[in-house]
Amino acid sequence: QVQLVQSGAEVKKPGASVKVSCKASGYTFTNYYIHWVRQAPGQGLEWMGIIYVSYDTTNLAQKFQGRVSMTRDTSTSTVYMELSSLASEDTAVYYCAREAEGGYWDYWGQGTLVTVSS
Amino acid sequence: QTVVTQEPSLTVSPGGTVTLTCGSSTGAVTSGYFPSWLQQKAGQAPRTLIYKTNNKHSWTPARFSGSLLGDKAALTLSGVQPEDEAEYYCLLYSGGSWVFGGGTKLTVL
Repeated sequence: QVQLVQSGAEVKKPGASVKVSCKASGYTFTNYYIHWVRQAPGQGLEWMGIIYVSYDTTNLAQKFQGRVSMTRDTSTSTVYMELSSLASEDTAVYYCAREAEGGYWDYWGQGTLVTVSS
Repeated sequence: QTVVTQEPSLTVSPGGTVTLTCGSSTGAVTSGYFPSWLQQKAGQAPRTLIYKTNNKHSWTPARFSGSLLGDKAALTLSGVQPEDEAEYYCLLYSGGSWVFGGGTKLTVL
């Protein structure tokens, strides 16, 4: 069965970076895209960007350009999202989600809570 | 940057029917926006119910349906169940990026 399993919760200080992983299983890793979406406490969902896994290219939301990088490791079927220069406003649950080309969104990871606090 | 608009909250009685809508600041929502609908219950990850306007996943209950209604995308729940109480998010592809609506809190009362 398809699974996206994310890494555990993180606590970071302002100015630091965080790297969240999303390990895929149950399907051919390179046949799908992976999105990253975040949700601040009590707020809605916010799209951060996408990694086209087979091409190893990304498209980032304008808000996150220069501060987010998305990478993948095909040997372990894992996608990574690194967010730098953390501020308290980056405290959120970060999700990965799968898409097949053409808007076919389906599975989501369980989420990773990132807390930014001094 | 596209703004996606949803009703902030709706209330429906058990067994009733309710329609949630999703509009775009860029104009009419069409199938080219690949509208999706997600359900999120408290403390859980989102779950995709509808993709590409009106396509259901194997886990999507039959009472949920997606469509285009006028210049918006729509999610209709027919025969609402208590377990449908949740936040519902619309998701559109616009201008080369994906944008979520602010969500509709559906109360079943």
